[in-house]
Amino acid sequence: DAGVTQSPTHLIKTRGQHVTLRCSPISGHKSVSWYQQVLGQGPQFIFQYYEKEERGRGNFPDRFSARQFPNYSSELNVNALLLGDSALYLCASSLNDRMQFFGPGTRLTVL
Amino acid sequence: DQQVKQNSPSLSVQEGRISILNCDYTNSMFDYFLWYKKYPAEGPTFLISISSIKDKNEDGRFTVFLNKSAKHLSLHIVPSQPGDSAVYFCAVSNFGNEKLTFGTGTRLTIIP
Repeated sequence: DAGVTQSPTHLIKTRGQHVTLRCSPISGHKSVSWYQQVLGQGPQFIFQYYEKEERGRGNFPDRFSARQFPNYSSELNVNALLLGDSALYLCASSLNDRMQFFGPGTRLTVL
Repeated sequence: DQQVKQNSPSLSVQEGRISILNCDYTNSMFDYFLWYKKYPAEGPTFLISISSIKDKNEDGRFTVFLNKSAKHLSLHIVPSQPGDSAVYFCAVSNFGNEKLTFGTGTRLTIIP
């Protein structure tokens, strides 16, 4: 059984650009969450989606947006990139219970 | 304000001995607690969890203890193995909100 998959694995962008990160949950999982992890810190919650509806949003600016598709895959979009957006972006899926399973992450570097 | 704290950034333990990782939280509304293990360039891997109705949960070499009055949880790994070397994160959530709040992590190194 495939775990959570994310694409791309690495990405380099320049300030002001836009980025789209993609996530496919574990088969049967309807809930997807996004987290940002900067070096030396634990992951920080960005969004949670369930059945295409936003269920939660962390303390991130409006430049961050996300959506979930009918097949439960998800995209995270970040506009007007800043240097401080450089981080590992993690996607997690769950069966709408309390246990979340993480993908390998997308490493974003903003120059 | 850090709601979840892992006060030891790093820990070294001899192979075969017990590793004890600690985590403190501030909000008594948290009722579900998890430990994740993370290798470099990989996402966190779920290890073990515990709900607030219990004070101990075991899974093989891993045991999690919860002390609600002290708002403290710990992860015991025994016996420690070289493959346990990784960064360990505790994470918490409260009922009705699947958002996980993570600690800053503890880097565990098992010395052969």
